[in-house]
Amino acid sequence: LAKTTQPISMDSYEGQEVNITCSHNNIATNDYITWYQQFPSQGPRFIIQGYKTKVTNEVASLFIPADRKSSTLSLPRVSLSDTAVYYCLVGDGGNTPLVFGKGTRLSVIA
Amino acid sequence: ETGVTQTPRHLVMGMTNKKSLKCEQHLGHNAMYWYKQSAKKPLELMFVYNFKEQTENNSVPSRFSPECPNSSHLFLHLHTLQPEDSALYLCASSQGTFYEQYFGPGTRLTVT
Repeated sequence: LAKTTQPISMDSYEGQEVNITCSHNNIATNDYITWYQQFPSQGPRFIIQGYKTKVTNEVASLFIPADRKSSTLSLPRVSLSDTAVYYCLVGDGGNTPLVFGKGTRLSVIA
Repeated sequence: ETGVTQTPRHLVMGMTNKKSLKCEQHLGHNAMYWYKQSAKKPLELMFVYNFKEQTENNSVPSRFSPECPNSSHLFLHLHTLQPEDSALYLCASSQGTFYEQYFGPGTRLTVT
């Protein structure tokens, strides 16, 4: 399983764009990159998934460079309710267990 | 509301008690999971069921006993737990094993 590395914590002010980068140097050809969000005392929630280039949905954007050894989750104009832990996971999307690391704790400040 | 419900939401039990956690998914998924999340530790996958058959057991102690009577329901039977088993227990489901998973709100378990 490809190991991921992401910052332990980040702070941001409301209204700013937040970019969280994840390193996955040994990503395999069949692997997808998936991000989950977890609020305190709740289960994680799927945010976005991508394989290469850029993916955008109503919540976030995911940027993946050509070598796929890293990815960046972009949250536009964050609000206080975006305060959560964000997990980056790498896997083939269907045949191997999800491995959650420690994630990045994002704190949004008013 | 993710379509996955868990009961109870909070549970306090002594080390000699027997209790069960219940999970129900209303999404028509065929795979269900139990995860454990201890304070300041990553989520740990405990069990996986695919079409009611257990396909993963990540070296979980026998004091945790899962049961999956059908694709919509999943139980975790608990007996003679230890204080270190206190944690948030999360249930999840997906259409296809390990695809995008939908998590329930969790059961906060405290073992005294």
